[in-house]
Amino acid sequence: GENVEQHPSTLSVQEGDSAVIKCTYSDSASNYFPWYKQELGKRPQLIIDIRSNVGEKKDQRIAVTLNKTAKHFSLHITETQPEDSAVYFCAAVNPSNTGFQKLVFGTGTRLLVSP
Amino acid sequence: GAGVSQSPRYKVAKRGQDVALRCDPISGHVSLFWYQQALGQGPEFLTYFQNEAQLDKSGLPSDRFFAERPEGSVSTLKIQRTQQEDSAVYLCASTLDRNTEAFFGQGTRLTVV
Repeated sequence: GENVEQHPSTLSVQEGDSAVIKCTYSDSASNYFPWYKQELGKRPQLIIDIRSNVGEKKDQRIAVTLNKTAKHFSLHITETQPEDSAVYFCAAVNPSNTGFQKLVFGTGTRLLVSP
Repeated sequence: GAGVSQSPRYKVAKRGQDVALRCDPISGHVSLFWYQQALGQGPEFLTYFQNEAQLDKSGLPSDRFFAERPEGSVSTLKIQRTQQEDSAVYLCASTLDRNTEAFFGQGTRLTVV
């Protein structure tokens, strides 16, 4: 089955710096890669996603890149703000023959943005 | 409702006790997922429903875990004879259809003492 590795496990940056979180996946059939932000005690919330037919996607300060050949994808946050502090999870989806999304998550990156 | 709702938010169970966790998905969402999130880890897949049909239960850790969604809306995850290793946050997620965004509930934090 699919296996997703994520690093770093913790990341501390100063406000205004950029942050990069990297993930690798094992199953070349995976075709959908969402990123979730989870604040302490709260639900995971989708912040950006990318499908395998696209190499890069950007939404304001957040961008995701995908390298299908190398089977890795990355989250880039620019101009970080203290409210970006949270745990970020990457995930990969290998759709089953029923078409449903079985999300396989990475182990998470705790991002701390210091003022 | 406005989002996925789970209850209770917190549950403390004595070892050996049975527990039932409830998930109310977003109205009209066809797919429903249960995930288990251990402390400091990413969510791990437990089981999936499409309407009332349980199409995949490959992630359930043992036969003490049972999930149902009899009318294709509300789902219940039941854990029998709870063990300490069952302590985790149990997350429910729903999607409108195939290949659409998964919306998560806030989870139930289960602590087995």
